[in-house]
Amino acid sequence: NAGVTQTPKFQVLKTGQSMTLQCAQDMNHNSMYWYRQDPGMGLRLIYYSASEGTTDKGEVPNGYNVSRLNKREFSLRLESAAPSQTSVYFCASSVGQGAVDEQYFGPGTRLTVT
Amino acid sequence: AQSVTQLGSHVSVSEGALVLLRCNYSSSVPPYLFWYVQYPNQGLQLLLKYTSAATLVKGINGFEAEFKKSETSFHLTKPSAHMSDAAEYFCAVSSYSSASKIIFGSGTRLSIRP
Repeated sequence: NAGVTQTPKFQVLKTGQSMTLQCAQDMNHNSMYWYRQDPGMGLRLIYYSASEGTTDKGEVPNGYNVSRLNKREFSLRLESAAPSQTSVYFCASSVGQGAVDEQYFGPGTRLTVT
Repeated sequence: AQSVTQLGSHVSVSEGALVLLRCNYSSSVPPYLFWYVQYPNQGLQLLLKYTSAATLVKGINGFEAEFKKSETSFHLTKPSAHMSDAAEYFCAVSSYSSASKIIFGSGTRLSIRP
């Protein structure tokens, strides 16, 4: 039981390049989330998927797209990376989309855009 | 509107001393409140949560937090610090039932002196 896994762990992009961050969970959770974490700030929600087949914008969705490929996998795509997207990205999952449902986090992807 | 403020970006205590991490929130309705811990190079892990039941909430690793409505506070405490408690701690609040509305504080880094 690996929990929530994310790939890659580290990535360096040049401005304008694109990439996809992968996330998978093996806990049969319905809901999945993508957050970014910047120095001196808490986590901010980018996109979430309450259940398979649905996705919704979070607090900071601009510049990102997501795909809920199946119940296990939720990917985050940067179409044209910008230096402002330099951050640590965390994927999380939970049984349901309620605020009281515990979220389980992956180890993160550290992205640098030059 | 909801918000959360963590007082002190860095707290240092001696091993065996009391740990006190401060969190104040703003919410127009009774909120859900959370404390998460992040160990180096890992994702966040839920320590404890308040969901309008008992005001004193016990969590993992000997931590507890008390919900004080009159002070709009949800401070995290542990009677005796261990070296393994060194980590970043995040307070979070939600005035809504959906996980997509959880707001995270900016974090407090806890250091333990031998």
